[in-house]
Amino acid sequence: EVQLVQSGAEVKKPGESLKISCKGSGYNFTNYWLAWVRQMPGKGLEWVGVIYPGDSETRYSPSFQGQVTISADKSSSSAYLQWSSLQASDTAMYYCTRHHFGMDVWGHGTTVTVSS
Amino acid sequence: EIVMTQSPATLSVSPGERVTLSCRASQSVSNSLAWYQQKPGQAPRLLIYSASTRATGVPARFSGSGSGTEFTLTVSSLQSEDFAVYYCQQYNNWYTFGQGTKLEIK
Repeated sequence: EVQLVQSGAEVKKPGESLKISCKGSGYNFTNYWLAWVRQMPGKGLEWVGVIYPGDSETRYSPSFQGQVTISADKSSSSAYLQWSSLQASDTAMYYCTRHHFGMDVWGHGTTVTVSS
Repeated sequence: EIVMTQSPATLSVSPGERVTLSCRASQSVSNSLAWYQQKPGQAPRLLIYSASTRATGVPARFSGSGSGTEFTLTVSSLQSEDFAVYYCQQYNNWYTFGQGTKLEIK
């Protein structure tokens, strides 16, 4: 079964750093683009960025460029989304998703709460 | 950046009705257009890709059409499980989502 399993919910304070993960299984992880999508409470879907694990080519939405870093580790079939200094406005659900003629496989989401 | 605009924002319909959702792109995306369904507390689910191809396991009552800048998603006969939020997304130039259309029970 093809699946993406994300790390658990996080509660952080403003200014802290964070790295969340997404582990793929059931398919060749290196051959598909892997995207991150943000959903703020009660709001719609926003594309954050995408990585091709085969060569780590990465692209970011203009809205998120410089705000987050996306990386991948082929050896563990995992992708990561990280922040160096969280803000309250980063509070949201973050999904990882595989791109294959649309985003066909989604993780369950990681809730990130940033509050003092 | 390509802007995707969905209409209407909310649609109140009765089970069994036929409904059409619209999505417009600010520039041509060819047929690189997908539709997703999201229910409360769940991750989005891919319904349609390449503007008109149903994803695996998607019921035949869902159909997509369009190309270029104008797209539609039609549900031929709404079932209770279809009440959800629907998003369109272009993937011709990286990715952009529409703001969503909420289908609610009338």
